[in-house]
Amino acid sequence: QQQVKQSPQSLIVQKGGISIINCAYENTAFDYFPWYQQFPGKGPALLIAIRPDVSEKKEGRFTISFNKSAKQFSLHIMDSQPGDSATYFCAASSLSGGSYIPTFGRGTSLIVHP
Amino acid sequence: KAGVTQTPRYLIKTRGQQVTLSCSPISGHRSVSWYQQTPGQGLQFLFEYFSETQRNKGNFPGRFSGRQFSNSRSEMNVSTLELGDSALYLCASSRDGTGYEQYFGPGTRLTVT
Repeated sequence: QQQVKQSPQSLIVQKGGISIINCAYENTAFDYFPWYQQFPGKGPALLIAIRPDVSEKKEGRFTISFNKSAKQFSLHIMDSQPGDSATYFCAASSLSGGSYIPTFGRGTSLIVHP
Repeated sequence: KAGVTQTPRYLIKTRGQQVTLSCSPISGHRSVSWYQQTPGQGLQFLFEYFSETQRNKGNFPGRFSGRQFSNSRSEMNVSTLELGDSALYLCASSRDGTGYEQYFGPGTRLTVT
């Protein structure tokens, strides 16, 4: 059972365009939602994260939109650049034993053409 | 400041053998988590250690185990290797153990033949 559904699996955009990746979850115990960026041969790196008490968070060209009632959240990358080409993972985390444990989406491979 | 380091980076083992992977967290970080990444199952949580204690464990068989030392370095062990254990094993550390900001290492690529 896939607890966090991520789409699309792959995405191709032109330089300067907007990249949008969507995630949905079922478990209402999730209350921390980070996004990770992973380049080939590297481990994932935290990009941006949001708590469910806010509907949007922006950091530079990256924005998370969060819809608590729909149990959906999305990553928007504005003015996409070739250097943004990577795999992006959403995660939904729940608190356990004092730590947030993530459940990851399957990932989106983003290619930004120059 | 040095990042999370994992050794070895690549490993080839035979079915039935056991393997030990090592992780050195960022200096000052007290929590270490381990993840398995495969094309089929994606990124999955294995376990988390904080101050030498396992606080959380993912849904993996008992063949997967780990430990954390007093200097926060961690090891994970997989016994009786199966072909399906072939994966990238990632270690992540965080300073305060809340899981808010985790820093991942480059991973160990394990191939089981």
